[in-house]
Amino acid sequence: EAQVTQNPRYLITVTGKKLTVTCSQNMNHEYMSWYRQDPGLGLRQIYYSMNVEVTDKGDVPEGYKVSRKEKRNFPLILESPSPNQTSLYFCASSSFSGANVLTFGAGSRLTVL
Amino acid sequence: QKEVEQDPGPLSVPEGAIVSLNCTYSNSAFQYFMWYRQYSRKGPELLMYTYSSGNKEDGRFTAQVDKSSKYISLFIRDSQPSDSATYLCAMSAGGNAGKSTFGDGTTLTVKP
Repeated sequence: EAQVTQNPRYLITVTGKKLTVTCSQNMNHEYMSWYRQDPGLGLRQIYYSMNVEVTDKGDVPEGYKVSRKEKRNFPLILESPSPNQTSLYFCASSSFSGANVLTFGAGSRLTVL
Repeated sequence: QKEVEQDPGPLSVPEGAIVSLNCTYSNSAFQYFMWYRQYSRKGPELLMYTYSSGNKEDGRFTAQVDKSSKYISLFIRDSQPSDSATYLCAMSAGGNAGKSTFGDGTTLTVKP
């Protein structure tokens, strides 16, 4: 089944404790992206990657890091999480064809205390 | 001003009603217009997309794009309780431009 898998689905952590949210896709997509979704603010893009070793900032990159060492994986790293990073995070991928329709993961709900 | 503005809602309608969901945009480079549906506690899933202006129908759903007005709509006929979800419009220039720009979403509740 074609899918984007992200883990963990739920996480409660404390301020300053580094964490990584993993994302993996099995569709051989070139493009991968991370979004956060907050009430009243919609989906906001954090980082994206056009291919292996190619990443770029989205609209809200502060406090996040990413890497793209393999085509299928695109982890999101929070080096020193803060409470304002409490949010619902989505990883998504697409191929560079036509509409660039995104396939989303199921989401990771992160709470930073 | 945001590139994509979506009617905020929320919308609550009785079962069987016709629903209209709308977005406006400002970027003339957008060529592809998507509608995603997001159920509670799930990731968004593509409902349908349209290239350039015109209408596209898929069962009870019709997507409409008017590029001259920079206005897109999604119509749902004979709405069902299972249509209760948040609907997100999204737009992209397509190809290797990559990025989709999303509206903030409209939450729809269809009451039995």
